[in-house]
Amino acid sequence: GQQVMQIPQYQHVQEGEDFTTYCNSSTTLSNIQWYKQRPGGHPVFLIQLVKSGEVKKQKRLTFQFGEAKKNSSLHITATQTTDVGTYFCAGSNLEYGNKLVFGAGTILRVKS
Amino acid sequence: NAGVTQTPKFRVLKTGQSMTLLCAQDMNHEYMYWYRQDPGMGLRLIHYSVGEGTTAKGEVPDGYNVSRLKKQNFLLGLESAAPSQTSVYFCASSPRLGRGYEQYFGPGTRLTVT
Repeated sequence: GQQVMQIPQYQHVQEGEDFTTYCNSSTTLSNIQWYKQRPGGHPVFLIQLVKSGEVKKQKRLTFQFGEAKKNSSLHITATQTTDVGTYFCAGSNLEYGNKLVFGAGTILRVKS
Repeated sequence: NAGVTQTPKFRVLKTGQSMTLLCAQDMNHEYMYWYRQDPGMGLRLIHYSVGEGTTAKGEVPDGYNVSRLKKQNFLLGLESAAPSQTSVYFCASSPRLGRGYEQYFGPGTRLTVT
């Protein structure tokens, strides 16, 4: 079946440092979504990418979708304590019924 | 709008007991989902529904049953709870399935089976 792998599992950074999480799919995706879950909270949608090579920015967050539509990344510039949480990627594919398959998530901790 | 709500927020069960988790959404979404979240494993789809009166199996459906008698409600049942079902359960909804449709999550239910 469709699998979505995400690395790293955990990252602890100093406030002000950059952070990147990577997502890789075993199949070509029709789209990829990113979610953020604050500690003790629920996943909240951040963004969706649908085009090959697409890059989108939200303030300090930069999202990329690979040319082959099998990988994606989320980069945070100059992390802040408010960035703490778990970041999930989730991809869907028409072949697998368009259901979202989530990666295991990357837990980000920020030291102030 | 309340969005997606879940009851209860916490529950402790003994092995073999049964319970039902309730999810409600007020966004008139067609699609609803039940996920479980375990450390290091992300969100795994248990069952989902593409409309009132329909249900389908997800990635990890064993030990669970669901019903969608009303469009706004999606129930998850555990007939005979097992310790392996200790998890955080999230309900979600979306207007439709696939690209362009983000999922809206409820606050979660933390279930412990002893």
